[in-house]
Amino acid sequence: DQQVKQNSPSLSVQEGRISILNCDYTNSMFDYFLWYKKYPAEGPTFLISISSIKDKNEDGRFTVFLNKSAKHLSLHIVPSQPGDSAVYFCAASALGTGTASKLTFGTGTRLQVTL
Amino acid sequence: KAGVTQTPRYLIKTRGQQVTLSCSPISGHRSVSWYQQTPGQGLQFLFEYFSETQRNKGNFPGRFSGRQFSNSRSEMNVSTLELGDSALYLCASSLHGQGVGDGYTFGSGTRLTVV
Repeated sequence: DQQVKQNSPSLSVQEGRISILNCDYTNSMFDYFLWYKKYPAEGPTFLISISSIKDKNEDGRFTVFLNKSAKHLSLHIVPSQPGDSAVYFCAASALGTGTASKLTFGTGTRLQVTL
Repeated sequence: KAGVTQTPRYLIKTRGQQVTLSCSPISGHRSVSWYQQTPGQGLQFLFEYFSETQRNKGNFPGRFSGRQFSNSRSEMNVSTLELGDSALYLCASSLHGQGVGDGYTFGSGTRLTVV
């Protein structure tokens, strides 16, 4: 039962354009969402997060949008750069429960930024 | 400051054997979580230790176990290895392990291959 889904295994975007990575979740107990970026042979690196009390969070070129009613979040990268090429994982946590330390991850989307 | 250190980086084991993986968290971090990453499955939560106690557990069989020492270093053990246990095992350390994403730092992982 995949509670966090990233339905696009891969995405290719031209340098300078916007990259939009999507994520859907099914568990209504999730109240905190995160995006991680992973390069080959390295562990995931935290990128940006959003609490369920917000619908948008920005950090430089990265913006995460949350639509609670649709149980959907997206990560926007503007402008996309070749160094952004990596696998991006969406993750969710239920801070309001005793399992706050457990992150539930999606299967990842491989982003390739082309010149 | 030193990051999260996982040893060994690579391991090849035979079916039926057992294996122990090690994780040294960032100094001062008391929470250590373990994840299994396989192609197509994303990262799946194994368990989390905080102050030497298992605080949360994922849906893995009892062959997967772990422990945490007084210096916060953690070990993960898999007994009676199966081919399906081949994966990248990632460890994440956090100060409190309260599910807030920017507090989690991942190691580079141990790549386990079962033959």
